[in-house]
Amino acid sequence: DVKVTQSSRYLVKRTGEKVFLECVQDMDHENMFWYRQDPGLGLRLIYFSYDVKMKEKGDIPEGYSVSREKKERFSLILESASTNQTSMYLCASKGWGSFRAFFGQGTRLTVV
Amino acid sequence: QKEVEQDPGPLSVPEGAIVSLNCTYSNSAFQYFMWYRQYSRKGPELLMYTYSSGNKEDGRFTAQVDKSSKYISLFIRDSQPSDSATYLCAMSYAGGTSYGKLTFGQGTILTVHP
Repeated sequence: DVKVTQSSRYLVKRTGEKVFLECVQDMDHENMFWYRQDPGLGLRLIYFSYDVKMKEKGDIPEGYSVSREKKERFSLILESASTNQTSMYLCASKGWGSFRAFFGQGTRLTVV
Repeated sequence: QKEVEQDPGPLSVPEGAIVSLNCTYSNSAFQYFMWYRQYSRKGPELLMYTYSSGNKEDGRFTAQVDKSSKYISLFIRDSQPSDSATYLCAMSYAGGTSYGKLTFGQGTILTVHP
């Protein structure tokens, strides 16, 4: 089975801190995604990557950046965390030519 | 206007009921239509998918796509308490670097009570 692992289940950070969320997948998938999930808003795409060092902005990229130096790892960076970035963050991966995305268990981030 | 709109719910039904979940969309370029199920404190998992228009059945679940109306549905027959979850519709393009980028609806929380 495909495994997508997010580094933390729960995180509490202070306003203004730089925050790193890490995601690793073990199926050699080309595509990786970062979503945030908020009640009533569903999953909103922050960034995605279709290859190493390649990235595209999603629907809500403001305040975030990403890094993909290796195929299996996709990092989400909050340069200066703010309280409106308190959310559930979900990482996903999928193979090229497939529509089936596999999700991690999520990281619940609280910014205080 | 959001590209994908999903009935907000929440939905509460008795065991054995037929459940209908729906989404509408505005972008006619979507070609793949999916339903994901998300249990509490878990990531979403693919439940069903359909390419272009038509119906697809898998056990108690039926997915329908009507591209002319830009409307998709998921039906659950003989619903069980184990079906209690959040159901998210998702859509995808069929080409280019955006291929595989999934656009989700807001999600419907379903509770099936015994």
